[in-house]
Amino acid sequence: AQTVTQSQPEMSVQEAETVTLSCTYDTSESDYYLFWYKQPPSRQMILVIRQEAYKQQNATENRFSVNFQKAAKSFSLKISDSQLGDAAMYFCAYSNYGGSQGNLIFGKGTKLSVKP
Amino acid sequence: DTGVSQDPRHKITKRGQNVTFRCDPISEHNRLYWYRQTLGQGPEFLTYFQNEAQLEKSRLLSDRFSAERPKGSFSTLEIQRTEQGDSAMYLCASGGPTTDTQYFGPGTRLTVL
Repeated sequence: AQTVTQSQPEMSVQEAETVTLSCTYDTSESDYYLFWYKQPPSRQMILVIRQEAYKQQNATENRFSVNFQKAAKSFSLKISDSQLGDAAMYFCAYSNYGGSQGNLIFGKGTKLSVKP
Repeated sequence: DTGVSQDPRHKITKRGQNVTFRCDPISEHNRLYWYRQTLGQGPEFLTYFQNEAQLEKSRLLSDRFSAERPKGSFSTLEIQRTEQGDSAMYLCASGGPTTDTQYFGPGTRLTVL
């Protein structure tokens, strides 16, 4: 069975600084998808960024980028120029299929605080 | 695109009562998922529909849980004889056929007293 591990329950970053959230996963599949979701307090979960395992190039979305290390089964999220609105729970997730073709397996999350 | 909606947003019930939650997906999405999220944990998959067909169920979905999507549009999740351990946030997500992203609703928070 696939598993997702987020080893940092909480992280803190100064506004405008850069922070990296860690995620490792375990799978025997060669093709799969990885995601980072953001869940602000009392608000719904939204997709931040996704990575297809067959793509060697790391995904980027504006201030958000990932460091995907397939051999190490590592998938970290880097947030540059952190903003107050980035404060949220961040969940790393895995899927054997595209994001809407199969269920997502989530880690326990990392709570990110942004200090002004 | 009005997003995924869930009703009610909060439900408080007494142990042993039955509860039903509703999820309305984004209209063009044919896939619908239910997840459960307890405090301090990530969401856990419960079940998945493609159109009206329930294609997958987690072993977390005990016999007291049943889900339907009768016309391939909205879905309901019913919990019979609720237990205190059922207290959680129940999340619905939808996606497909032209998008690979799962869009989540705001969730229904269930408290079983």
